[in-house]
Amino acid sequence: NAGVTQTPKFQVLKTGQSMTLQCAQDMNHEYMSWYRQDPGMGLRLIHYSVGAGITDQGEVPNGYNVSRSTTEDFPLRLLSAAPSQTSVYFCASSYHRDRDKYEQYFGPGTRLTVT
Amino acid sequence: GNSVTQMEGPVTLSEEAFLTINCTYTATGYPSLFWYVQYPGEGLQLLLKATKADDKGSNKGFEATYRKETTSFHLEKGSVQVSDSAVYFCALGGGTSYGKLTFGQGTILTVHP
Repeated sequence: NAGVTQTPKFQVLKTGQSMTLQCAQDMNHEYMSWYRQDPGMGLRLIHYSVGAGITDQGEVPNGYNVSRSTTEDFPLRLLSAAPSQTSVYFCASSYHRDRDKYEQYFGPGTRLTVT
Repeated sequence: GNSVTQMEGPVTLSEEAFLTINCTYTATGYPSLFWYVQYPGEGLQLLLKATKADDKGSNKGFEATYRKETTSFHLEKGSVQVSDSAVYFCALGGGTSYGKLTFGQGTILTVHP
C-alpha cells in the first residue's frame, strides 16, 4: 500500500491564483480530512469527509473548497489564494466508526507559499 | 467543544534524561486520546493511543496513561535519545466520528548528545 499520498510537495502561488492540492489513499478508509499546520498553532481542521459524496466544514474552512466523488480521492481547492493561506497542508485518512481499529494516517504534506 | 492543551515548549534535554510532556483535555463523552510525533520534514505518525480511562498506551519506550479524573494524558519516557528530537502532538477524537481529531499546539523536543 502507498498509504496517503499528496501532490505537490511544494508550491508557490501569487495572490489571487487558484490551485488544487491532491490527496489520495489506498486503504479504503471512509474518513478523510485536510489540516493546515502553522507555527505554534498545532494542526487545524479545514474540511473533512466521512464518505464519498459527504463533506463538512472543520475549524477553518474559509477560502477552501472540497469534494469527494470517490472513496480514494479528496482534493482541496484554494479559490483565490491569499498570503494568510501560506502554510503546510496535511491530508489524513482513517476508519471512523470503529474505536478499536482507529488510527489516522497522514500524508507527507504540501508546503504552500502565497506571495 | 473539545480542546487540548499541551505544555509550552520548546523542551531541551540531554541524552538519557527523563521526559515528561503534559497534556490536558476538555471533551464531552468518552474520547480516545493520542500522541502523534512529527520528525523534521515529515508528516505525523501515531506514537501511541488509549481508548478508555486508565488505559496505558506505549510504544518505543514512550508511555501515557488516560486519566479521566484529572483529564490528562501526559507523555513520558525514561531515557531519551537524540533520535527522539521531534515535535509531539497530543490529540483527542471521539463522539460520532473518531476520525475528527482535535490537536494541541505541539511541543518541540530537542535532545543533545
